[in-house]
Amino acid sequence: EDQVTQSPEALRLQEGESSSLNCSYTVSGLRGLFWYRQDPGKGPEFLFTLYSAGEEKEKERLKATLTKKESFLHITAPKPEDSATYLCAVRGYGQNFVFGPGTRLSVLP
Amino acid sequence: GAGVSQSPSNKVTEKGKDVELRCDPISGHTALYWYRQSLGQGLEFLIYFQGNSAPDKSGLPSDRFSAERTGGSVSTLTIQRTQQEDSAVYLCASSLARQGPYEQYFGPGTRLTVT
Repeated sequence: EDQVTQSPEALRLQEGESSSLNCSYTVSGLRGLFWYRQDPGKGPEFLFTLYSAGEEKEKERLKATLTKKESFLHITAPKPEDSATYLCAVRGYGQNFVFGPGTRLSVLP
Repeated sequence: GAGVSQSPSNKVTEKGKDVELRCDPISGHTALYWYRQSLGQGLEFLIYFQGNSAPDKSGLPSDRFSAERTGGSVSTLTIQRTQQEDSAVYLCASSLARQGPYEQYFGPGTRLTVT
């Protein structure tokens, strides 16, 4: 059974304080690992797709990396507007997407 | 271009009533998914449509839940005889296709409250 866990459950950072969010997964044949951002009262917003170990993708202050067992979302010099819940999901040979519970990030000014 | 839209945005219903939730996917997206998100929980897969293929209903929690997709576009999720445990945000997502790891684009969700 495909599974995704995320840590920490919640993270509070000061503005400018860099950190990383973790997504650990088990999947039968990874066909893609996805990161989403979700603001309160809204649907998830797509950020990145990673396909194979060693791959990295960047967008503004965010960088996602992937190994065979986990993915990290690195946040460099975060700003208050980066506050959101970050969701990780995987897609394996089972075709459906399996989501983790998310990490709730708060960036304080 | 227009994103995924859902209606209503909020729905309050009494226990035992039926409800219908609507999803309009992005034009040209052949794959459509329904998820449920309870407070503080991750997304729970409910059902998936791909083109004219039979839907994947493996995530539906009970036979009170059903969904249809008309003309390969708009989808309706129906919950019959609602229970308080059905209270959640129901999210719809669409993607270009099921084959290939195409990312999903989500609607804003429908918040269902069963009293």
